Amino acid sequence: KQEVTQIPAALSVPEGENLVLNCSFTDSAIYNLQWFRQDPGKGLTSLLLIQSSQREQTSGRLNASLDKSSGRSTLYIAASQPGDSATYLCAVIYNNNDMRFGAGTRLTVKP
Amino acid sequence: GAVVSQHPSRVICKSGTSVKIECRSLDFQATTMFWYRQFPKQSLMLMATSNEGSKATYEQGVEKDKFLINHASLTLSTLTVTSAHPEDSSFYICSAASTGRGNYGYTFGSGTRLTVV
Repeated sequence: KQEVTQIPAALSVPEGENLVLNCSFTDSAIYNLQWFRQDPGKGLTSLLLIQSSQREQTSGRLNASLDKSSGRSTLYIAASQPGDSATYLCAVIYNNNDMRFGAGTRLTVKP
Repeated sequence: GAVVSQHPSRVICKSGTSVKIECRSLDFQATTMFWYRQFPKQSLMLMATSNEGSKATYEQGVEKDKFLINHASLTLSTLTVTSAHPEDSSFYICSAASTGRGNYGYTFGSGTRLTVV
């Protein structure tokens, strides 16, 4: 069964902190992995895409890593800001084209 | 970059009526589109995979006759919620990839908040 788990479910940090969001998946036959951001009542915004052959991707203050062998990905957010407050979703795209989402991590960055 | 336009963004309908949600890929052709629903504070659940020119593939537990999907062109897929009931109230989101294997990731529409009263 292809399951995607995100830990923690919720996280509250003061502004300026660096933080790590975790995503684990049970099936290592992934095609790629994508991190999204979702604001309340809104659609999804793609943050980073990591191909299965890659180990990490960076965009601004965001860095995502991928370890297929251990079935893990992390999203690192540096110098967090209140505007980073949102739900972060990890999505795994498998070789059979199935896409599975984690339940998300609700991040609150306090000013 | 790839853009997927979804509308309406919000709709309120009476119980028993039908609602159509459109999803368009604006600058790329999408042979496959995906429809998700999301309940409050929960993750997205795949409802069906829509393939251009053929019947949609529904996930287990999703009523085909209730959630009608049409993918008549390479840039447009529609989801019609028929005979809507309050329990159908949810957030519906579509997604598409510019390549069949999602080589460059998936792009999502902005979502439709459906409220059935």
